[in-house]
Amino acid sequence: NAGVTQTPKFQVLKTGQSMTLQCAQDMNHEYMSWYRQDPGMGLRLIHYSVGAGITDQGEVPNGYNVSRSTTEDFPLRLLSAAPSQTSVYFCASSSGQKNTEAFFGQGTRLTVV
Amino acid sequence: DAKTTQPNSMESNEEEPVHLPCNHSTISGTDYIHWYRQLPSQGPEYVIHGLTSNVNNRMASLAIAEDRKSSTLILHRATLRDAAVYYCILGEDTGNQFYFGTGTSLTVIP
Repeated sequence: NAGVTQTPKFQVLKTGQSMTLQCAQDMNHEYMSWYRQDPGMGLRLIHYSVGAGITDQGEVPNGYNVSRSTTEDFPLRLLSAAPSQTSVYFCASSSGQKNTEAFFGQGTRLTVV
Repeated sequence: DAKTTQPNSMESNEEEPVHLPCNHSTISGTDYIHWYRQLPSQGPEYVIHGLTSNVNNRMASLAIAEDRKSSTLILHRATLRDAAVYYCILGEDTGNQFYFGTGTSLTVIP
């Protein structure tokens, strides 16, 4: 049971480049979300989804796009990378049912130079 | 969203109990109290959560004040593997859309 899988684990981008961070879960969870974590800080919510075809913005959505075409996948797109987007990105999923926990991926460490 | 207040850091000796406090004076009636921890270079992992009553699981206990304005995560016997940042988070029961603070960094002393 893989849980939440994020790829790649590490990435270096040049300013202005675009890329997609991948997130997949095999638990048939309806709820998925993306967070970023800057050094010494807690995680901040970027975007989230409560099911296929449904997404919404979190705390810090600017510069990021998401889509949810399947239950399993929730990719995060950086359209034009900026140094301020240097961070560790975590994807999470949960069933959305009462009294359940969220599962987090191992993170993608992104550096924008 | 209601916010939580936690001490920035705490220390504990190995094999002793640890009490990690969290204040959440603006908690709403539908907010669950969630605790997650983040080991170095890893994603957060679930510890425990509760609504009104105290909760126990294999990892920890959660003691919730009667007025629900504070709670305490209890690790019964700290091990070196428990060294992590512990986050107290308020949220609805969906396990989604968490708003993390800076958490409490727990150091376990051998």
